[in-house]
Amino acid sequence: LAKTTQPISMDSYEGQEVNITCSHNNIATNDYITWYQQFPSQGPRFIIQGYKTKVTNEVASLFIPADRKSSTLSLPRVSLSDTAVYYCLVGGFYSSASKIIFGSGTRLSIRP
Amino acid sequence: EPEVTQTPSHQVTQMGQEVILRCVPISNHLYFYWYRQILGQKVEFLVSFYNNEISEKSEIFDDQFSVERPDGSNFTLKIRSTKLEDSAMYFCASSVRTSNQNDGTDTQYFGPGTRLTVL
Repeated sequence: LAKTTQPISMDSYEGQEVNITCSHNNIATNDYITWYQQFPSQGPRFIIQGYKTKVTNEVASLFIPADRKSSTLSLPRVSLSDTAVYYCLVGGFYSSASKIIFGSGTRLSIRP
Repeated sequence: EPEVTQTPSHQVTQMGQEVILRCVPISNHLYFYWYRQILGQKVEFLVSFYNNEISEKSEIFDDQFSVERPDGSNFTLKIRSTKLEDSAMYFCASSVRTSNQNDGTDTQYFGPGTRLTVL
């Protein structure tokens, strides 16, 4: 499983765009990049997943450069409710059931 | 939108007692998981389950732990003799593979968790 590096914490303000970058230099050819969000005392929630270029859904965008050694989660116009821990995960699915290895994530704090 | 559910939301037990944590995965999912998160720490993988057997387990998942899918809907985690250090949030997750074994995605959807407190 590729190791990931992301900032421990970030602060921003309501209405701003927030970009969280994750480094994964050892990403393998078959690996996907997935981001989860976790609020206190709740289960991790899937946000977005991609393999290359750009993926966008109703919640976020994921930008992946051509070399795939990093990725950036972009949250447009954040609100106070976006305060959470965000996890960047990289992995492929080669066995019958693939575990997720969570790191420490990025603790995002949104201020009024 | 379908979701994973877990019961109870909070379980308090005495050290040495057995507990069973219950999960109802999303109905068309085939892969099931248990994770735990001790307060202030990372989410840790415990076990994965597919086709009525354990696929993989972590070193945390020792002989005190067991999993079962007793019917077509429930997925349970049993701790036979709880210890103080078992106090944590326990999350169930489920997934359905979207492609073949060597490619594709396997998005896991997590339940809200059961907070286990061992006294």
